[in-house]
This record gives sequence, C-alpha cells and structure tokens, in this order.
Amino acid sequence: AQRVTQPEKLLSVFKGAPVELKCNYSYSGSPELFWYVQYSRQRLQLLLRHISRESIKGFTADLNKGETSFHLKKPFAQEEDSAMYYCALKWGSNYKLTFGKGTLLTVNP
Amino acid sequence: NAGVTQTPKFQVLKTGQSMTLQCAQDMNHEYMSWYRQDPGMGLRLIHYSVGAGITDQGEVPNGYNVSRSTTEDFPLRLLSAAPSQTSVYFCASSTLGGKSPDTQYFGPGTRLTVL
Repeated sequence: AQRVTQPEKLLSVFKGAPVELKCNYSYSGSPELFWYVQYSRQRLQLLLRHISRESIKGFTADLNKGETSFHLKKPFAQEEDSAMYYCALKWGSNYKLTFGKGTLLTVNP
Repeated sequence: NAGVTQTPKFQVLKTGQSMTLQCAQDMNHEYMSWYRQDPGMGLRLIHYSVGAGITDQGEVPNGYNVSRSTTEDFPLRLLSAAPSQTSVYFCASSTLGGKSPDTQYFGPGTRLTVL
C-alpha cells in the first residue's frame, strides 16, 4: 500500500539557516510527488511537484527513487517560510493523493 | 474567478444529525475531492469525482456520501454525525489533463464539531 512519511512533526530553525523537510514514500508504482504548504490563515496550496523540477520561493526538492525520498530544501530560511508543509504522493489510475502527516516549520528571527 | 468555495465555514452538530457540506468551483475542473484534516493525521481522502455522475471512495469514506450532478458542485453529506467526524474538511479541484493537471486547488475549509 502507498504511504507517505514525514518523520518530523515540528522543525524550528533560525532565519538564514538551511532547512530540510524530510519526506519518504512507499509505493510500488511510478511515483509522482508534491509538496503542499499551508500558511497561517491561508488555504493549502501547491508548492512544488517533482516532474517540474522547479524552484519555488527558493525551495527545491529532488526525487530519489533509490532512497524513496523527496526531501524539501532551502539554503537560507526566511521568517515568511513558517508554515505547515505536507508531502503528497499521487497514485492510482485516477487522481488520488495520499498526504503525509505534515511538518510545522517555524523560522525564528 | 472565485476558485473553490465551501460553505459553511463553521458548523456544530449533535450526534445523529445529518448535514451537507457544500463545495463549488468555477474553473471547469473535472476532478473534485473531499479531505478531512485531523491533528497529527494530515489530510485523508474521503471521496473523489472525475466528472459529473462519477464518484469513488477514498481512504476514509465511511459515514459520508457524495454526488456529482454538475461539474461545478460536489456536496459532502454526513448521514448520521458522530463525534469522530469532528474535523476540518477541505474540498479541492483540479484538471485531469492540459497545462497543469496535477495542481489541486483547495477551498478554505469547513470546521465541523460534533457534540
């Protein structure tokens, strides 16, 4: 069965420090992975998807099939990055998403 | 475009009551879905639809019904509310093809409390 694991419920860093939010997945098929973000009092929104290989707001994420990981990284965290981050796996012939339990990132001044 | 809208924003029910959470989108998206968000559990898929007249179960469908009579609307019905259904409910929509098939657009959520 498919599964997404985000091992850290909470992550706290200082402004300007590097940040890495971990995501591991379990899926027998070809994975499609995403990072969604929910800022305080805002809607959940897409941050990154692995097929695009893009950098959004300074964040990048690389799919590592060998390690079944899709970690989210940013070299210099900003206070406005404080939010809840969810890793998600698309699976099935129809569009289904399985989300991890989320990591609450706090960037301290 | 209003995007994805949900009503009500807040609702309190008593055990055994029924109600319908409304979801609408004006982006002509084929795909719509319902999730519940619980502390420490992330988001879990309840039901989804790939077009009018087509619905299917997600991970946690028990106690919920859906229908999709139009492209725009995807209501979620609680048949007999239970305290375990206390949660925040999110509706989302996306295309199934085209330029950005994988971007799901979420509604603002409905916070439901069952006493």
